[in-house]
Amino acid sequence: ILNVEQSPQSLHVQEGDSTNFTCSFPSSNFYALHWYRWETAKSPEALFVMTLNGDEKKKGRISATLNTKEGYSYLYIKGSQPEDSATYLCASESMDSNYQLIWGAGTKLIIKP
Amino acid sequence: SQTIHQWPATLVQPVGSPLSLECTVEGTSNPNLYWYRQAAGRGLQLLFYSVGIGQISSEVPQNLSASRPQDRQFILSSKKLLLSDSGFYLCAGGENYGYTFGSGTRLTVV
Repeated sequence: ILNVEQSPQSLHVQEGDSTNFTCSFPSSNFYALHWYRWETAKSPEALFVMTLNGDEKKKGRISATLNTKEGYSYLYIKGSQPEDSATYLCASESMDSNYQLIWGAGTKLIIKP
Repeated sequence: SQTIHQWPATLVQPVGSPLSLECTVEGTSNPNLYWYRQAAGRGLQLLFYSVGIGQISSEVPQNLSASRPQDRQFILSSKKLLLSDSGFYLCAGGENYGYTFGSGTRLTVV
């Protein structure tokens, strides 16, 4: 069974604090790991696609790292702002999934002003 | 890049009524298209995907069906809705290294 787990399920963070959360995915025949940001009443928006072990990507205050050998990725947000409030989804793509995205349930991030 | 149009945004339907949700794609040709559902508190569940006109793959047995009558049109249907069909439905188009999503339809079956 191909399972993608995200933790924590939800997170309350004070504005200005930094935070991070985890995505665990099957490491077998890995192809790519995707991070999406999903704001209420909007479409999920692609943040990063990562393919190489040890890769680190950055977009403004948001960055992500990837460990394909142990099957995890971290998403970091530095200096959280209210507009960062959203659900962050990760999805794994592998040969085992026939290159379909297997999605985690998301981490709901709430930034407290 | 592609744009996914999806409607309606919200829908309230009685149990046993039919369903038709439409998704159209702009900005690309012959895209891979996907219907996802997110039930409350869970991740995105792939319902159907299509790699071309008339080609539909179903991922889970269910009360729903999908059709792709045109290259840029993907339709999700049901003949008789069940209460368990309630949820948030998203259409997505696959691009190189990622998906583009429509704005979603929140379906409530009452």
